[in-house]
Amino acid sequence: KAGVTQTPRYLIKTRGQQVTLSCSPISGHRSVSWYQQTPGQGLQFLFEYFSETQRNKGNFPGRFSGRQFSNSRSEMNVSTLELGDSALYLCASSTGQGSNSPLHFGNGTRLTVT
Amino acid sequence: GENVEQHPSTLSVQEGDSAVIKCTYSDSASNYFPWYKQELGKRPQLIIDIRSNVGEKKDQRIAVTLNKTAKHFSLHITETQPEDSAVYFCAASIWTGTASKLTFGTGTRLQVTL
Repeated sequence: KAGVTQTPRYLIKTRGQQVTLSCSPISGHRSVSWYQQTPGQGLQFLFEYFSETQRNKGNFPGRFSGRQFSNSRSEMNVSTLELGDSALYLCASSTGQGSNSPLHFGNGTRLTVT
Repeated sequence: GENVEQHPSTLSVQEGDSAVIKCTYSDSASNYFPWYKQELGKRPQLIIDIRSNVGEKKDQRIAVTLNKTAKHFSLHITETQPEDSAVYFCAASIWTGTASKLTFGTGTRLQVTL
């Protein structure tokens, strides 16, 4: 079974631009969670989607948004990029709720904002 | 609160020794506590998890203990090997008022020396 796939692997953007990241979960997994990873801050929860509905949202500004499609694939969008948005963005899928089930992470998208 | 505190931030042990990493959580309703291992440049991977209805769980050289009264849980690695060198993250499910989310600690960098 294929693992969680995230595209692209690397992105370089400038301040003020927007970016869209993509995540394909493991086949059969209906929950997709997104995390931001930065040195010293660990993994910060962005949001979780289950069956196309946002189940929960972390403490990030409204510039961060996401959605999930009927095939469980998910996208994350960040508008008006800031330097502080530079991070590794990880997507994880699970069979049940992301808060109570093992998470299967993708390799992440490393975003650099200049 | 929605915090998960993890200590120590770095840990160096000699091969064959034991390593212990501790985490505390704030939400008394938390019921799921996974541990993830992230090797350099790789994705986090689940190594063990425990639910609130048990106090201890073992898997070969790895064990996790949970003290619900004190709201803390610990990861124990025995007979450490060089391949155990990685960053370890604890996590706890936290109720946010409308749904639960998984909150991670800030990580422990474990170095196993020969």
